[in-house]
Amino acid sequence: GAGVSQSPSNKVTEKGKDVELRCDPISGHTALYWYRQSLGQGLEFLIYFQGNSAPDKSGLPSDRFSAERTGGSVSTLTIQRTQQEDSAVYLCASSLARAQETQYFGPGTRLLVL
Amino acid sequence: LAKTTQPISMDSYEGQEVNITCSHNNIATNDYITWYQQFPSQGPRFIIQGYKTKVTNEVASLFIPADRKSSTLSLPRVSLSDTAVYYCLVVENSGYALNFGKGTSLLVTP
Repeated sequence: GAGVSQSPSNKVTEKGKDVELRCDPISGHTALYWYRQSLGQGLEFLIYFQGNSAPDKSGLPSDRFSAERTGGSVSTLTIQRTQQEDSAVYLCASSLARAQETQYFGPGTRLLVL
Repeated sequence: LAKTTQPISMDSYEGQEVNITCSHNNIATNDYITWYQQFPSQGPRFIIQGYKTKVTNEVASLFIPADRKSSTLSLPRVSLSDTAVYYCLVVENSGYALNFGKGTSLLVTP
């Protein structure tokens, strides 16, 4: 079946602009995660959605970052007033039900803020 | 959150066995140990998961001592295509925030 997909694959934007990153999880997966990976660094947890529960936003670095998950499926990560330090690869993952289970990652969105 | 410590990098020649050890001294009773592999320009992918003793699959083996304060990922007879970053995670049974850390960058050369 189809894996996790993300769009766009690459995004170049100017400092101060808003960007939206999209994630389509594997069908039937109720858990969805967003991570950020800066060049040469590990993955930084951003936010976690589990079913209809309130998301865990504890990893979001600032109030410029927000995420939604509509209908328990597609998720959008929004970065407002982008800064150069926001440049990174943004990875989305989904798992069947819980974080204890295998996470399946998408290919990521490479964001470059000029 | 149980913190993990693993080497930043390792080098190996093709055909050798590679063992990557991860320390997780404050692992909790119900936590699992999970390893992921990440190739350049790709998202991580699951390799293996275990709770105690030894787990083996077609890709790797995972050795976990009785105290569970560390674990060792063993890759038999590595090839060039095993060059990747390997992440050790402690997955909390009661939580969900996952700390991938920086992982171990494995370089396999001919």
